[in-house]
Amino acid sequence: KAGVTQTPRYLIKTRGQQVTLSCSPISGHRSVSWYQQTPGQGLQFLFEYFSETQRNKGNFPGRFSGRQFSNSRSEMNVSTLELGDSALYLCASRHNVPGLGTEAFFGQGTRLTVV
Amino acid sequence: TQLLEQSPQFLSIQEGENLTVYCNSSSVFSSLQWYRQEPGEGPVLLVTVVTGGEVKKLKRLTFQFGDARKDSSLHITAAQPGDTGLYLCAGVTGNQFYFGTGTSLTVIP
Repeated sequence: KAGVTQTPRYLIKTRGQQVTLSCSPISGHRSVSWYQQTPGQGLQFLFEYFSETQRNKGNFPGRFSGRQFSNSRSEMNVSTLELGDSALYLCASRHNVPGLGTEAFFGQGTRLTVV
Repeated sequence: TQLLEQSPQFLSIQEGENLTVYCNSSSVFSSLQWYRQEPGEGPVLLVTVVTGGEVKKLKRLTFQFGDARKDSSLHITAAQPGDTGLYLCAGVTGNQFYFGTGTSLTVIP
């Protein structure tokens, strides 16, 4: 079974630009979560989508948005990029395992650098 | 906000030594997970514990869930350079995940 696929792996953008990141979850998983990871702040939750609906949202400005398609693939968009948006963006595919609850499986991430 | 504090934040040890990493919270979780992350990669799920007091072993790694389901520990026996990485704990309640602050482990050959 293929794992979680994130594209692109690396991205360099200029301040003020916008960017779209893509995530394909594990086949059969309907929940996708996005996280921002920086050395100073650790893993910060952005949002979660389940069956094309945003189920949970973290404490990020409206410049960060996302969506999920009917095939469970998800995209996140960041508009008007700022230097502080430079980070590793991680996508997690989640599903329920009987007896263990919800488990998350991460992609390799997209390293975004804003210059 | 349900915070998970991990300690120590950084750990550098010699190959062959033993170590323990702690994950503490004042909140109760339905399960707790441990992940290992290597530089530039995504976290990889190591284990899920669900029962208070539960102990799970994965080769040289031993995971324990606190009796009250608020804390957990990860013990590594005879650490190897391949154990180097960032260890993250995550408390799960319903469909919400709360990640710990992380422990960066370096095992020196």
